[in-house]
Amino acid sequence: QKEVEQDPGPLSVPEGAIVSLNCTYSNSAFQYFMWYRQYSRKGPELLMYTYSSGNKEDGRFTAQVDKSSKYISLFIRDSQPSDSATYLCAMSNNQGGKLIFGQGTELSVKP
Amino acid sequence: GAVVSQHPSRVICKSGTSVKIECRSLDFQATTMFWYRQFPKKSLMLMATSNEGSKATYEQGVEKDKFLINHASLTLSTLTVTSAHPEDSSFYICSAKSSTGIIWGSDTQYFGPGTRLTVL
Repeated sequence: QKEVEQDPGPLSVPEGAIVSLNCTYSNSAFQYFMWYRQYSRKGPELLMYTYSSGNKEDGRFTAQVDKSSKYISLFIRDSQPSDSATYLCAMSNNQGGKLIFGQGTELSVKP
Repeated sequence: GAVVSQHPSRVICKSGTSVKIECRSLDFQATTMFWYRQFPKKSLMLMATSNEGSKATYEQGVEKDKFLINHASLTLSTLTVTSAHPEDSSFYICSAKSSTGIIWGSDTQYFGPGTRLTVL
C-alpha cells in the first residue's frame, strides 16, 4: 500500500463548477499537508499549506484535513479554465522533513 | 518572494556525456535543497536531499556516483548526471526549503521550474 493515495483522474468539469480533489494516507505521523498545482512541463507551485487538522481558505481554494480519517481535500470554487493542471497533495511528518507526494490528479476545466 | 530557478530548462546530450543542472533560490537562503525526478504522468520521486556545506543524502536506489550533488552555498545546489544514458532522460526538479517562513509555514519547499533532460 502506498503511503499516499490520490486518484490520477483525469477529471473534467465545466467552467464554474466546484471541484473536489482528495488524498488518503496511511501514516498517522503526518502533520504537515500541502497542495501543489503543476502546469504541463513546469515545476509544482505551492497552493495551500495546513498544519494538523482543520480548514484553510484562500480565495477560491479551501483545504481540509481530517486526521481521524487520514483524508485531505482541496476544493476549488467557481473553477476556471486556467485551473486546468495537475494537482498534487504532499505531506510530511516533521518540519523540513521529506515530502511524500500523491500521484497527482489531472484536472481539466472546460469553457 | 520564494522564487527558485533552474538552469538549463532543457538539455539534449549524447550518451556518455555529463550534464550539470543548477538550482538557485533567488530571494531567500536555503540550507536544504531537494532533487526530484518526474516521469510523464507520474508523481515526483525524491532522489536526494542536499544540505549546504555537507554531503547529500540519497534515497534508496539512487546511485550517488551517477547523480553528483553539490550544495556550495545557501542559494545554489547543482546536480550532475554523469555518463548519461537514454534511461536517464527525465524531468528533473529541485526544491528549496526556506527556514524563515517566508509566505506559508516555516520549512515549506518551493520548487523550481524543472529541467527536461533528453539523452540520445
